[in-house]
Order: sequence, then structure tokens, then C-alpha cells
Amino acid sequence: ETGVTQSPTHLIKTRGQQVTLRCSSQSGHNTVSWYQQALGQGPQFIFQYYREEENGRGNFPPRFSGLQFPNYSSELNVNALELDDSALYLCASSRGRGSGDRTGGELFFGEGSRLTVL
Amino acid sequence: AQSVTQLDSQVPVFEEAPVELRCNYSSSVSVYLFWYVQYPNQGLQLLLKYLSGSTLVESINGFEAEFNKSQTSFHLRKPSVHISDTAEYFCAVTLDTGRRALTFGSGTRLQVQP
Repeated sequence: ETGVTQSPTHLIKTRGQQVTLRCSSQSGHNTVSWYQQALGQGPQFIFQYYREEENGRGNFPPRFSGLQFPNYSSELNVNALELDDSALYLCASSRGRGSGDRTGGELFFGEGSRLTVL
Repeated sequence: AQSVTQLDSQVPVFEEAPVELRCNYSSSVSVYLFWYVQYPNQGLQLLLKYLSGSTLVESINGFEAEFNKSQTSFHLRKPSVHISDTAEYFCAVTLDTGRRALTFGSGTRLQVQP
């Protein structure tokens, strides 16, 4: 059983640019969530995708957008990058609705993509 | 809306000593509670979880946490820590609604010294 994989592991962008981060979910999982972890802080929920549709969103502006593909992999896109977007972006997969899951939110995290905005 | 407070940003402790990492939450509805551990330059790993039933939950590496509804707490404890336990520990909560969005605390850095 493969775990959650994310790419790239590190990247550097300049203010105003756009970035795409990718995530492959764990085998058997149909739900993907994205979190932003700023330095020295806990992760903050960005949004979640289930069956290729956004299924909940945190307090992030519309320039943060995402996609989920039929194979349940996902992308996080951030437009018009700002300095404060510098963070570790974590992807997590889980068994969602329709799978009989009653685990109440057990997420399996990837190692993250560290974004630096200069 | 729910929130999580981890009262200690750093906890230094000597090897083989006991440790408690504190976590308090606020929510008007039932919640599920989690502890995650993050080693340097890695993602988060689930340490243990409370969903229902027994209020005392244990992990395979000697940690335990007790859900206390009256005090809205979910403190993490270990009777004897090892150097390898040095890491960042995050308490998290999610609502009992089928949603999967976790609300995390700000983390506690456990530094085990020889």
C-alpha cells in the first residue's frame, strides 16, 4: 500500500507568480485535503476534495484553488503569490463518505511541499 | 466553530522522565480528537485518536491521552520519554459531522535531553 506522495518537495517562487503543487492519495482513499503550515505554527485547513468536487473550505482567498482527478490525485494552485504564502503545504488523504468510513477524520499526510516566496 | 489550545510551545525534559503535553479544545458539539507527531522535515503522523468509548487511548509507542469532557481536555502523556521522542506534537479536533477538516493547535515542541 503506497502512502501519500507530494511533489515538488521544495520550490522557490517570486511574488506575483503562480504555483501548482501535486498530491497522490493513499491507495483506497477517495478524499484529499490540503493544509498550509506556516513556520512555527500548526497546519491550517485550506480545502478538501471528494469525488472531484470541493467539499469544504477554510478561510483562504479564491486565489487558492484546487482540482481532484478521477484517480483521486489532486492539485493545489495558488495565483498571485504573496510573501505570506511561504509555508509547508501538506496534502492528506482519507476514506470519505460512501466508503462506510466511521473513523471520524483519520488523515494520512504526505511529507509536504515547502514553498518559499521571495 | 471549534478551536484548540496547546498551552506550552516548548517542553524540555530529561530522558526517562515523565511528560505531559496539554491540549484544550472548545466546541459546542461532539468532537473527535487526535494527536499528531511531526519529526523534522517530515509530514504529520497520527499518534492516537479518541472517537468514542473509553476515554483513555493509547499508542503503540507508549503515549496515552485521556479525553476529559468536563474539562474539554485531551492531554498527552508518556511515563518515560526517549531521545527519539523529540519532535513537534499537534493536538487536533474535528466535528462529528462527517467533515474531515481538522483544526490544529499551534503545536508543542518536545525536547528530550540526555
